[in-house]
Amino acid sequence: GESVGLHLPTLSVQEGDNSIINCAYSNSASDYFIWYKQESGKGPQFIIDIRSNMDKRQGQRVTVLLNKTVKHLSLQIAATQPGDSAVYFCAETYSGGYNKLIFGAGTRLAVHP
Amino acid sequence: GAVVSQHPSWVICKSGTSVKIECRSLDFQATTMFWYRQFPKQSLMLMATSNEGSKATYEQGVEKDKFLINHASLTLSTLTVTSAHPEDSSFYICSARDERRGVGNTEAFFGQGTRLTVV
Repeated sequence: GESVGLHLPTLSVQEGDNSIINCAYSNSASDYFIWYKQESGKGPQFIIDIRSNMDKRQGQRVTVLLNKTVKHLSLQIAATQPGDSAVYFCAETYSGGYNKLIFGAGTRLAVHP
Repeated sequence: GAVVSQHPSWVICKSGTSVKIECRSLDFQATTMFWYRQFPKQSLMLMATSNEGSKATYEQGVEKDKFLINHASLTLSTLTVTSAHPEDSSFYICSARDERRGVGNTEAFFGQGTRLTVV
């Protein structure tokens, strides 16, 4: 289940289960959204992206859902593995501007064997 | 995918000294690079946008005289933390976009980060 830590909420799942990580974005003008994975001491790693003209996009074991009505993004990870343990951030940007990425608060995913 | 390299990956410096962090796009040109700061267990906070050949654009609350940014070429941006103090200790991360992918592309590639510790 979910719990709120010092700053980052943590989602704990069993290996093999599906994970759903949620994110609320702030700017209704944002038209491009990205999910990043960050391991300890490293920079963010691109996972999957979605543009505002779509509501769902699938990758390998990952799916991103976009609900523009409530400004909500989710990342679904199928058959979660120990290597998926990391902090996950959503980021938003407006491609008509100078493309700066604004990051959400992040969620720590802990996968237990 | 495009590669962004940061150097150094970690640095320890004495309070009052200045530290320079480099961000290089290794196999592509980036007219725009971004600098982020991340405290433990927190998200990435955008500090400034670095523009090649012009002045950087700083986010609200970021001291431009404290965090000097220079983007002298299409593949290199530097962040200098001047007169560093312990509260400047943080993880600094840069990112860049591959301009070859055309207008409207917004995927950003990130460096591996620099951990700065000021003692």
